[in-house]
Order: sequence, then structure tokens, then C-alpha cells
Amino acid sequence: VLTQSPATLSLSPGERATLSCRASQNVRSHLAWHQQKPGQAPRLLIYGVSTRATGVPARFSGSGSGTDFTLIISSLQSEDFAVYYCQQYSYAPDTFGQGTKLEIK
Amino acid sequence: EVQLVESGGGLVQPGESLRLSCAASGFIFSSSSMNWLRQTPEKGLEWISYISSGSSTKNYADSVKGRFTTSRDNAKNSLYLQMDSLRAEDTAVYFCAREEGKDGYNYVAHWGQGVLVTVSS
Repeated sequence: VLTQSPATLSLSPGERATLSCRASQNVRSHLAWHQQKPGQAPRLLIYGVSTRATGVPARFSGSGSGTDFTLIISSLQSEDFAVYYCQQYSYAPDTFGQGTKLEIK
Repeated sequence: EVQLVESGGGLVQPGESLRLSCAASGFIFSSSSMNWLRQTPEKGLEWISYISSGSSTKNYADSVKGRFTTSRDNAKNSLYLQMDSLRAEDTAVYFCAREEGKDGYNYVAHWGQGVLVTVSS
């Protein structure tokens, strides 16, 4: 089970966002983050805890290991307000967290 | 550019069947393992099936096992999900997805735009 916190994060453009994902068991480095905007499909942001997918801006960074993981957006842009999901792919079946909604304050 | 385009969704009654298709382009489909996932407001994102590049391995979530069948046609760059005995709880947006990774640890790398399936009388 993946537990994301907070459920909702209200911040202003330019601020730093810190999103958390906690796994109920050790998933080692097999953790990814996805971004989903309203009415759109999710988009892969980060895999292997900290590797950015192609085209993902450097303001997105991931860290952590084992059971505790963090996604940081260093300086929020208007297009970053969305829902973020973590995904573990260490154990079958792959599972996702319930999401953190990042909204404009 | 990787593109995955689902089709075939719609409104069906409980117990009926539906077949989803996913047209793939922008990558070597025949070398890629593929998945189906679905999303609901209540349960969030849920993986439901996997098919290996050559169709030799197929896996299903317990929630759909015995009712859903995944297949592919590598000559047509297409992925399919045959959904039988549909239930109200199968109502969701369905995504096809391409996975990437190494050493057997694969993550969802590309998502289709999704297609809505509604099961209701």
C-alpha cells in the first residue's frame, strides 16, 4: 500500500512543493511519480526514485529509498498545479497512491 | 513520439460485453510489453492486465480475472481488452499503457488518453 500526503496542498506560484509517498513495505528504488491534469491521462515524471523522464523540467526532483519517498517541485509554475501519484513497481501488481492534489492558493 | 489511442468505450448494461482497442505508434510495438489500467474516483488508479511483447505471458488483477482477456496484434500495432460479464464496479476510465524498465522492474512510461466505460442499467 502506498500512502500519499498531504491529500491536498495549497501553494502559490513560485513556492516550493514537497509531496510525500510512504510504502507499507520496502520497494527499494522501484518508485515512480506521475502527474495528471484534469481531463488528461497521467504523465510519467520520475522513475527509479529520482530519474526524470524525457522532457521533464529540472524543477522536479525525487528522493528517498525503501519506504519513504519525496517529490519536490522547486518553484511552482502555473502548469504544475495538478494531481500527483506515486507508483511502486517492486511487487506485483503495481500499485498507486491515492494522489496529492496540488492547487493554487 | 509515442502515441497510444484507445477506442471502444461506451455505455453497456450489467452482464454485457465490450471490447477496447488501443492503437500504438511512435515506438516498436512488437518489442514492448503493454498494460491496461483503469481509474475511478473511488479506487483511484488500478492496474488490471499485462501482456508481454509476444503474448506468451498475460497477467490479470483478481478483480477482472476470468472476465477480461487481453490480446494484441503486433502486425497491426494494436492492443485489445475483451471485457465480459461487466459489472457496475467496472465503470471507469480505461488506459492502455506502455511500460519500460530493466531487470524485470518495469514502470508505466506512456499512457493513452483513456476511454470511459460505463456499466449501468
